[in-house]
This record gives sequence, C-alpha cells and structure tokens, in this order.
Amino acid sequence: NAGVTQTPKFQVLKTGQSMTLQCAQDMNHNSMYWYRQDPGMGLRLIYYSASEGTTDKGEVPNGYNVSRLNKREFSLRLESAAPSQTSVYFCASSVTASTNEKLFFGSGTQLSVL
Amino acid sequence: QQQVKQSPQSLIVQKGGISIINCAYENTAFDYFPWYQQFPGKGPALLIAIRPDVSEKKEGRFTISFNKSAKQFSLHIMDSQPGDSATYFCAAPRGYGQNFVFGPGTRLSVLP
Repeated sequence: NAGVTQTPKFQVLKTGQSMTLQCAQDMNHNSMYWYRQDPGMGLRLIYYSASEGTTDKGEVPNGYNVSRLNKREFSLRLESAAPSQTSVYFCASSVTASTNEKLFFGSGTQLSVL
Repeated sequence: QQQVKQSPQSLIVQKGGISIINCAYENTAFDYFPWYQQFPGKGPALLIAIRPDVSEKKEGRFTISFNKSAKQFSLHIMDSQPGDSATYFCAAPRGYGQNFVFGPGTRLSVLP
C-alpha cells in the first residue's frame, strides 16, 4: 500500500533552473496539497486542489505553479528557482477538503537551490 | 487569518516522564484540532485529534486537553518512551479546501 508517493527525494538546483516535483496517491482521495517545511516555521500550504480540475493558492504560492493532472497526480513546478525556495516539500492528500479530514503525507522532497 | 502558536520549541524528557506541548489558536469557526507526529526523514502522520465539544480525548498514552474559552489545546504524552522522540505539530482549521494551519513544531527528545 503505497499511499502518497513523491519524486524525487532529493534535488539540487542552481538559481534560475526549473523543475517539477511529482506526487501521486493511490487512495482515491479527492483533495491534494503541497506544503513546504522550513525550520521553526512548521508546514505552510503552497497550493491545494480540493477536487480534480480545481487548484487554488495557499499561504505561500509565489514562485510556484501546480497541475492536477488527474485524480491521482498533483505536480508542483518551480519555474525559476531561487535560494529562498530551499526547503523540504511535502505532498498530502485527504478524502475531501473538509476541515475535519485526516491528511496523508508523502515522505518529502529535500530541495536545495544554490 | 488563523494563526497557531506552539510551545515549547524543544523538549527533553526522561524515559517514563510526562511530555506536555501547548498550542494556542485565534479563530474558533471550525471544529477539529489535530496533532501530527513526524519522525526524521518522514512525512507527518496524524497522531490524535479532538473536536471542541469535548474537553479531553485519550488514546493510549496520548491525551489532548482542550480549553475552548482560552483557545488553547495541549498534548500530554504519559510514560514517555525513546520511540516517542519526534517533532510534534498542532494544527487548527483554516477553512474549507485549505485544510489546516500548522504550529511551528516541538522537537521532543526522550532520554533512555
């Protein structure tokens, strides 16, 4: 039972490079999320997709774009990476976007931008 | 906008002791307050959650105490074990679709 799978696990970029973080879930969840985790800041929501075909900005969307490719997959793209985007990125999913839903997280992608 | 304050930032407890982590939130429009546990190199996982219509919820050694009037809730870990060493995040609802806003986390170390 894979749950939420993220790729890659580690990535080093140079400033200005672009990349896409991939996320897939096999739990038939409707809602998916991208968070970033920085020391002392907790988890901050970047973008979310309440259901297939919809995406919305979270707390820190600047410098990122997302695509809900289908019900299973939700990708995060950095068009022009900046050192401030050095972070650990987590994808998560939930059955629905209701406020009492359990979040299921992937194992994260550690990104360094030099 | 919902904000969550969490303390302490780090906590060291002897095996068998009680670990207590506190959280405070601002808005009370919603009804579900979870705690997530994260081990190094892993994603967070739901540990325990409470609805504010009750003042306390217990699951094994883990207890959430909820004080709605003070807008505070806390996690108590009884008989703390080295395997409990992890980072703990409290969370409060942000609103439909955006799910939760998380506290900054508490790194717990339980010494053998």
